[in-house]
Amino acid sequence: DIQMTQSPASLSASLEEIVTITCQASQDIGNWLAWYQQKPGKSPQLLIYDATSLADGVPSRFSGSRSGTQYSLKISRLQVEDIGSYYCQQAHSNWTFGGGTKLELK
Amino acid sequence: QVQLQQSGAELAKPGSSVKISCKASGYTFTSYDISWIKQTTGQGLEYIGYINTGSGGTYYNEKFKGKATLTVDKSSSTAFMQLSSLTPEDTAVYYCARLASDYFDYWGQGVMVTVSS
Repeated sequence: DIQMTQSPASLSASLEEIVTITCQASQDIGNWLAWYQQKPGKSPQLLIYDATSLADGVPSRFSGSRSGTQYSLKISRLQVEDIGSYYCQQAHSNWTFGGGTKLELK
Repeated sequence: QVQLQQSGAELAKPGSSVKISCKASGYTFTSYDISWIKQTTGQGLEYIGYINTGSGGTYYNEKFKGKATLTVDKSSSTAFMQLSSLTPEDTAVYYCARLASDYFDYWGQGVMVTVSS
């Protein structure tokens, strides 16, 4: 199975700050990667697919990038509504998720 | 709008089975597969499998073969997942999600399944 190693596991940031979360794939997955946001007590929501494509209705302050087998989610200016957990997911071979990043306000 | 409405929370005894449902609305049900995903605090998100809502064909993650059984009722636009031989390790929130080009674009609200004697 393809392993997705996500970091950091938790993160504390201030409003308007730039936030970056990364996922390292255990093997080449091309652009078969998505990012999800999960707010407390809610279901995950798709943010980014195909590594860099923004899902419908997602604010433009969210962006995804890829460098080899490392993938990043960037929030350009953190807003209070961005607080929650974030997960990467690979779709190259079956489906596996990263361990998650819990984002809190400093 | 697209909605996936799941059934309510379940409390089950070890060794028993539960069957949870996922009713879709707001789109053509048979145009998308339905996936099921398990979420626990310790293991995070785990992919269980999917069902082709048109043919009824299924795919299971190896880990959940024999544990989960996926079915569908096209007449009511509802997907089902039965979990059998329950153990405390099956205690989790279970989500259904619409599978769109290998990603999960809409999710149900989740069902909490608690296994306890």
